[in-house]
Amino acid sequence: DQQVKQNSPSLSVQEGRISILNCDYTNSMFDYFLWYKKYPAEGPTFLISISSIKDKNEDGRFTVFLNKSAKHLSLHIVPSQPGDSAVYFCAAKWGGGNKLTFGTGTQLKVEL
Amino acid sequence: DAGVIQSPRHEVTEMGQEVTLRCKPISGHNSLFWYRQTMMRGLELLIYFNNNVPIDDSGMPEDRFSAKMPNASFSTLKIQPSEPRDSAVYFCASSFEGFGETQYFGPGTRLLVL
Repeated sequence: DQQVKQNSPSLSVQEGRISILNCDYTNSMFDYFLWYKKYPAEGPTFLISISSIKDKNEDGRFTVFLNKSAKHLSLHIVPSQPGDSAVYFCAAKWGGGNKLTFGTGTQLKVEL
Repeated sequence: DAGVIQSPRHEVTEMGQEVTLRCKPISGHNSLFWYRQTMMRGLELLIYFNNNVPIDDSGMPEDRFSAKMPNASFSTLKIQPSEPRDSAVYFCASSFEGFGETQYFGPGTRLLVL
């Protein structure tokens, strides 16, 4: 049972435009959400996170939005750059521990 | 710091052989995680250790998989016997529990079982 779902396996965006990556979750116990970015032949690296007490967190070009009632979060990248081309994983945790549940990932391609 | 170190980076083996993957976490981290990445299921947590003790191994697929952490600086994931369906990328990650939630991943081991 996939508790964290990324329904779009791929996304293509033009350079300079906004990229929106989506993530849905089913476990209402989740209270902390993270996005990781992964380049080929490398491990995932932490990008941005949000606590369930907030609905938005911003870090430079990256903003994560959380809609708890819909059990949905999204990552916005503005403006998108070719170096943003990577696989993006959504992850969630609860209870203060370190165990993360990941989604299946979305391959973002930013075209010139 | 060198980051999380995994070896080997690539492994090709035949069905039925034993495979051992190795991980050195970041010095000072007290939590270590083993993940498997596949197209269908994304990143699956196999097992995680806290202070060298296995805390949750519910993701270990079956008895063919075992993991150990004999000390704070080394862990192994063993598959015996290996099967073609075990082919995947295996990641090790570490973190310091109680100080942020960020896990730091190694580069992964790409395993191919023929």
